[in-house]
Amino acid sequence: SQQGEEDPQALSIQEGENATMNCSYKTSINNLQWYRQNSGRGLVHLILIRSNEREKHSGRLRVTLDTSKKSSSLLITASRAADTASYFCATDGDEGNTGKLIFGQGTTLQVKP
Amino acid sequence: EAGVAQSPRYKIIEKRQSVAFWCNPISGHATLYWYQQILGQGPKLLIQFQNNGVVDDSQLPKDRFSAERLKGVDSTLKIQPAKLEDSAVYLCASSFRKPHTDTQYFGPGTRLTVL
Repeated sequence: SQQGEEDPQALSIQEGENATMNCSYKTSINNLQWYRQNSGRGLVHLILIRSNEREKHSGRLRVTLDTSKKSSSLLITASRAADTASYFCATDGDEGNTGKLIFGQGTTLQVKP
Repeated sequence: EAGVAQSPRYKIIEKRQSVAFWCNPISGHATLYWYQQILGQGPKLLIQFQNNGVVDDSQLPKDRFSAERLKGVDSTLKIQPAKLEDSAVYLCASSFRKPHTDTQYFGPGTRLTVL
């Protein structure tokens, strides 16, 4: 079963605008990761935030984590057409402690030039 | 550094036929994963190897899917016989050692169409 649920499912913005995607999950986690997938390609790791962190930045990316609400958000600032892709959150909320990642359904982002 | 390699990139088969996918992880990565990604969904883990041992295969349909990682390097995933619902992209990923903290690096995937 899928642990993470992204919201919205699809997002369309103009180049230069900010894009915010949200992820909710169900069980306790060690960390939460965000991945990007361009059409027809494999996934690319963007950022990992640990359960004891609240916010993390990487270039134009800002990730927040609220473990009390079991939710995370990914903000892409000053978006570019090249940011057009699907974005997935993944959690390791795995009782077997194998580190298995459970991915959400993803948010499809379209950035119009 | 070379990435995760997968082949073939595309495969079309008839239902009830067999198919095999190959993955070569990044050199030195102990952990290897196979995921199934159905169109419009996120990847779902099928099997996870640590070196050549299976760590998690709880979501692998064992009546038709099998996977092996001989010598703890390359891996193959086989489907026999294929069903229509097996149409998906099969992604291979690898990580250095610690699944909890290490980034997973994904290959380009194999797109399987079962007719």
